[in-house]
Amino acid sequence: DTAVSQTPKYLVTQMGNDKSIKCEQNLGHDTMYWYKQDSKKFLKIMFSYNNKELIINETVPNRFSPKSPDKAHLNLHINSLELGDSAVYFCASSQRSDTQYFGPGTRLTVL
Amino acid sequence: DAKTTQPTSMDCAEGRAANLPCNHSTISGNEYVYWYRQIHSQGPQYIIHGLKNNETNEMASLIITEDRKSSTLILPHATLRDTAVYYCIVRARIQGAQKLVFGQGTRLTINP
Repeated sequence: DTAVSQTPKYLVTQMGNDKSIKCEQNLGHDTMYWYKQDSKKFLKIMFSYNNKELIINETVPNRFSPKSPDKAHLNLHINSLELGDSAVYFCASSQRSDTQYFGPGTRLTVL
Repeated sequence: DAKTTQPTSMDCAEGRAANLPCNHSTISGNEYVYWYRQIHSQGPQYIIHGLKNNETNEMASLIITEDRKSSTLILPHATLRDTAVYYCIVRARIQGAQKLVFGQGTRLTINP
């Protein structure tokens, strides 16, 4: 069983579109995260939710909106996609501030 | 967040021990050292972490100096599958979560 899963694995879309990436974890963790890895391979945290409450919100454009329907899910919605949004997005989860476990990533390409 | 410094790249022969150094001279007393690796754009994989004492698990060993200003990750018998980018991270704890700040890491290449 996959511990942290993301869908879709690949996402190709046009500029200006709105898209969502879904993340689910079956580890029973209470904290989930979104990271972005750009073309230079730097991995940066974007958001973190603990028990559906936003607790980390880095400097991210307002076009990015995380949504946590329950503790096991953290979705990332992106409005008005731009070329610079092309990246690999990773979801992760942890039990509070313990070790984080990452998903396989979603490669987003904006044309 | 404490900053870490790692060599950009390293090579190791298959079957040998791979020793990856990391400097974290500004680490605070309650901050843990974490190691992750990323194999060819897959999701980062947790390896090991420690606070003061040396740690060992099925994947690796972590040696932390007494002053905690540096550490070394040891892969005892490197295989080709260990080729990856290895990240040394000092964890910043935020209530209810942990903030991992990834640097550039060390690109480890295991040669046959």
